[in-house]
Amino acid sequence: DGGITQSPKYLFRKEGQNVTLSCEQNLNHDAMYWYRQDPGQGLRLIYYSQIVNDFQKGDIAEGYSVSREKKESFPLTVTSAQKNPTAFYLCASSSRQGFTSPLHFGNGTRLTVT
Amino acid sequence: AQSVTQLDSQVPVFEEAPVELRCNYSSSVSVYLFWYVQYPNQGLQLLLKYLSGSTLVKGINGFEAEFNKSQTSFHLRKPSVHISDTAEYFCAVSINDMRFGAGTRLTVKP
Repeated sequence: DGGITQSPKYLFRKEGQNVTLSCEQNLNHDAMYWYRQDPGQGLRLIYYSQIVNDFQKGDIAEGYSVSREKKESFPLTVTSAQKNPTAFYLCASSSRQGFTSPLHFGNGTRLTVT
Repeated sequence: AQSVTQLDSQVPVFEEAPVELRCNYSSSVSVYLFWYVQYPNQGLQLLLKYLSGSTLVKGINGFEAEFNKSQTSFHLRKPSVHISDTAEYFCAVSINDMRFGAGTRLTVKP
């Protein structure tokens, strides 16, 4: 079955360490997205990529970085510059560029930084 | 830029009762509208979408939503809920990017 795989499901890190969250899709979708979810705040867009080797900042890109070297993969690095990194991170993809088609989500990675 | 407001953060309801989850949006241009559902520790799943055409949209699991342009609303309804409908529901509006509401936690009690 096609879908989006995020790994790991739970991730624990010490403050000051960079950490990379994996996102892989086999839906042959062009566009991929990273969202952060905090209780009571809905989802906020971190970065998105419409095509390979290109990506744009979302609303809360500071302290994060991404790459899009392959169509299937869109890893997110949470750097030590991110002031409050503990959150639930969701990766998504869509079949068309732009935001007019529904998003398909992975099951998320819960990151805890202490 | 568009924005979306979900008017209730929590909605408790008894099993087999009807439910309405409210969503209002603001935008100066035409928008696309979505409802997603999230079960604990999972990603979001699409319930239904409005892109154009009929203002009454039917989705999965017996849910439906009505687009009201004059009131800029897209409320989600189900005539009879089940325990398994307990989840968090997100309204989203899309033009140049997709904006999500803060979510409504639906709790169905026996």
